[in-house]
Amino acid sequence: GQNIDQPTEMTATEGAIVQINCTYQTSGFNGLFWYQQHAGEAPTFLSYNVLDGLEEKGRFSSFLSRSKGYSYLLLKELQMKDSASYLCAVLSFGNEKLTFGTGTRLTIIP
Amino acid sequence: SAVISQKPSRDICQRGTSLTIQCQVDSQVTMMFWYRQQPGQSLTLIATANQGSEATYESGFVIDKFPISRPNLTFSTLTVSNMSPEDSSIYLCSGQLNTEAFFGQGTRLTVV
Repeated sequence: GQNIDQPTEMTATEGAIVQINCTYQTSGFNGLFWYQQHAGEAPTFLSYNVLDGLEEKGRFSSFLSRSKGYSYLLLKELQMKDSASYLCAVLSFGNEKLTFGTGTRLTIIP
Repeated sequence: SAVISQKPSRDICQRGTSLTIQCQVDSQVTMMFWYRQQPGQSLTLIATANQGSEATYESGFVIDKFPISRPNLTFSTLTVSNMSPEDSSIYLCSGQLNTEAFFGQGTRLTVV
């Protein structure tokens, strides 16, 4: 089976940096995704990590440590529009299906 | 990238009726999935829609309640059968292209 944990809620200040952590336990790991979901909308893809290390994409970066079963999403220069839920999802090898964490609801305050 | 068109975007249905949700992808995708998302919660996988064969259902979901079709690599449907208020939720389809999963816009279903 799979177990994915991430904080339920976080608050950060506009212009600052926030790190959202995700830990997972899985058999047959084949990659980790981060998605952003605004209220009432479908999730949108942010990042994909399959090897250890940091992947940077503009203001967003994602890190993976497979040995520790750990990932984080780093958001820099926070903007009010970054207020959303951030979903960590693990891809299983073989059946190619995504298992989602509970999501972290991030609120940006002025 | 790929774009998935999902419809209807929302519906209000009577208890005991059925609703079919459609997803059309603008690219051929091998894997398509159907999820349910309760308000304020994350996505729960209902089933994997396989082209040319029966869908693969997750624990707690059965074909009689959620029949799925996948006639080709760009289209799939999910039917919510014999609906009850507990089926009120958002239903999302997704397709995977390379290492990226794309989502439809979601269907907000309310059963009264």
